[in-house]
Amino acid sequence: QVQLQESGPGLVKPSQTLSLTCAVSGASINSGDYFWSWIRQPPGKGLEWVGYIYYSGSTYYNPTLQSRVSMFVDTSKNQFSLTLTSVTAADTAVYFCARLSQDFRDPYYFDSWGQGTQVTVSS
Amino acid sequence: EIVITQSPATLSVSPGERATFSCRASQSVNKKLAWYHQKPGQAPRLLIYDASIRATGIPARFSGSGSGTEFTLTISSLQSEDFGVYFCQQYNYWPLDIFGPGTKVDIK
Repeated sequence: QVQLQESGPGLVKPSQTLSLTCAVSGASINSGDYFWSWIRQPPGKGLEWVGYIYYSGSTYYNPTLQSRVSMFVDTSKNQFSLTLTSVTAADTAVYFCARLSQDFRDPYYFDSWGQGTQVTVSS
Repeated sequence: EIVITQSPATLSVSPGERATFSCRASQSVNKKLAWYHQKPGQAPRLLIYDASIRATGIPARFSGSGSGTEFTLTISSLQSEDFGVYFCQQYNYWPLDIFGPGTKVDIK
């Protein structure tokens, strides 16, 4: 059974860079069967897809965040990461990593999620 | 641009009752729709994909239906662990907005 676990600082200052890592166990990122993704949820609000990455390193970002987002994959550690630059209070959210099913490289639905990690942007 | 709406925003249900809620897309998404359940403080959990297929381990009281622009999730007999927020997600159009705003189910 696949498990995902987010880690990273819970507090980031405005204008700085948010960095999170998702460790995957019970499945190999290298298998190529899935995409690996980040989703966030601001306090009291709905879900917003941030981006996803393939084991090869190919990335796909939400256009509204594209200028500030980067994702990386480390297949040797079976983990992937997210960086978000120039953060503001609007980036305060719970950040989830999730496994994204795919069919012929078309993304489908999120079938496994990490527990989420709270990130607060504040000075 | 595709817009996903869910109704009602909030649904009050007594344990044991039937609960039905809707997800609507502004353009056809065929059957490429998933449903998730999120309890407070937890991650969403996949319930249904391809509009009507239950994910692994999901009880039979959950059923999904619909295609095109209109979709329904039904819980035949609500249990205490079913309260929370239900989100739908379309995956026919990426990278556009994919999640609906959610329906909150609380205790009547």
